[in-house]
Amino acid sequence: NAGVTQTPKFQVLKTGQSMTLQCAQDMNHEYMSWYRQDPGMGLRLIHYSVGAGITDQGEVPNGYNVSRSTTEDFPLRLLSAAPSQTSVYFCASSYSGLGSSRQETQYFGPGTRLLVL
Amino acid sequence: AQSVAQPEDQVNVAEGNPLTVKCTYSVSGNPYLFWYVQYPNRGLQFLLKYITGDNLVKGSYGFEAEFNKSQTSFHLKKPSALVSDSALYFCAVRVTGTASKLTFGTGTRLQVTL
Repeated sequence: NAGVTQTPKFQVLKTGQSMTLQCAQDMNHEYMSWYRQDPGMGLRLIHYSVGAGITDQGEVPNGYNVSRSTTEDFPLRLLSAAPSQTSVYFCASSYSGLGSSRQETQYFGPGTRLLVL
Repeated sequence: AQSVAQPEDQVNVAEGNPLTVKCTYSVSGNPYLFWYVQYPNRGLQFLLKYITGDNLVKGSYGFEAEFNKSQTSFHLKKPSALVSDSALYFCAVRVTGTASKLTFGTGTRLQVTL
């Protein structure tokens, strides 16, 4: 298994440009999520999905769109990039619930570092 | 709303000494608590998870965490630190009423020196 993969690893955008961060997992996980990581603020949830065709907003959704057409893929779209979106973005996946099994946890991708000028 | 707090931005410890990384939580109901580690330029890796039962949870790489309900704490511990343990550590709690959403702390940087 490749686990959770993210592309690109690094991207530079100009203000106003759009782009899509790709995320894929090969573990047949129902749940996928996008986080951004900023210094001193930990990880903040942007959007998440509990299955194909179902998405919902997290803590900081403004400026980002998502869709989930397949179980495997969960792309994150920036429609008009702003300097405030400079961050490291992580995609994560898990089975349907982080329940009573000690093995149920989220698996994280390696991250995409985004710089918006 | 649930939350976790990591009161120390950085913890410094000498190799071979015991280490503790602190975490306190606020959640209604029974908490599901997690510890993750992040090495430079990498994603987060799962260390351990508390669900119920024994208050001492053993995880990967020799780490363990002690759940204390009365103090609402879930501190990460290791009896003997290694230089290779130097990394960023995150505590997280499952969001009440959801199956899979996590709320993360701000992270604690562990620096282990020779």
